Amino acid sequence: DIQMTQSPSSLSASVRDRVTITCRASQSISTYLNWYQQKPGKAPRLLIYAASSLQSGVPSRFSGSGSGTDFTLTISGLQPEDFATYYCQQSSSTPPYTFGQGTKLEIK
Amino acid sequence: QVQLQESGPGLVKPSQTLSLTCAVSGESISSGGYYWSWIRQLPGQGLEWIGYIFYSGTTNYNPSLKSRLSMSVDTSKNQFSLKLSSVTAADTAVYYCARDTSYSGIDCWGQGTLVTVSS
Repeated sequence: DIQMTQSPSSLSASVRDRVTITCRASQSISTYLNWYQQKPGKAPRLLIYAASSLQSGVPSRFSGSGSGTDFTLTISGLQPEDFATYYCQQSSSTPPYTFGQGTKLEIK
Repeated sequence: QVQLQESGPGLVKPSQTLSLTCAVSGESISSGGYYWSWIRQLPGQGLEWIGYIFYSGTTNYNPSLKSRLSMSVDTSKNQFSLKLSSVTAADTAVYYCARDTSYSGIDCWGQGTLVTVSS
């Protein structure tokens, strides 16, 4: 299985900060990398697909980059509603389509 | 607007079979182009991909669950189902059904249903 490792596991930041979350794959997955946001008691929400494409309806302060094994999710100008847990997921040709362990973004 | 809704027992006894159904509205499963998926989240933990089924019945399962897992699709009712046999407490989780667009991510999720395995 392809292992996905996120860092950090948790992060404290303030409103209007810029934050970056990293996701590393155990082998190359090209750009088959998705990012999700999950709030307590809710289903995950797709933010970024194919490493850098913004899902419809997602604010432009969210952006993604990377290819191969290293990827980042950046939130530019944190808003109060952005405090949540973020997951990366690989969707390469080789199932299972594993998720990272999650990064919990908390208010400082 | 596509909506997915899980249904099934919230409590299952150990060694029995967990059965869930996902009803899809706003989109025909038969239209193709999507992988109808199941993902679970163990209490306080991350997400685990369980597997998917295509409208034709083609499946792809997580190898860690494959020996206990079965998925089916009923296009006449526009729903798909999950069966996980020989469950233990380790299978206690929130189970989500979802629509996977393949390379464009999982773009639509059900609200999730908590299944507890306990005697």
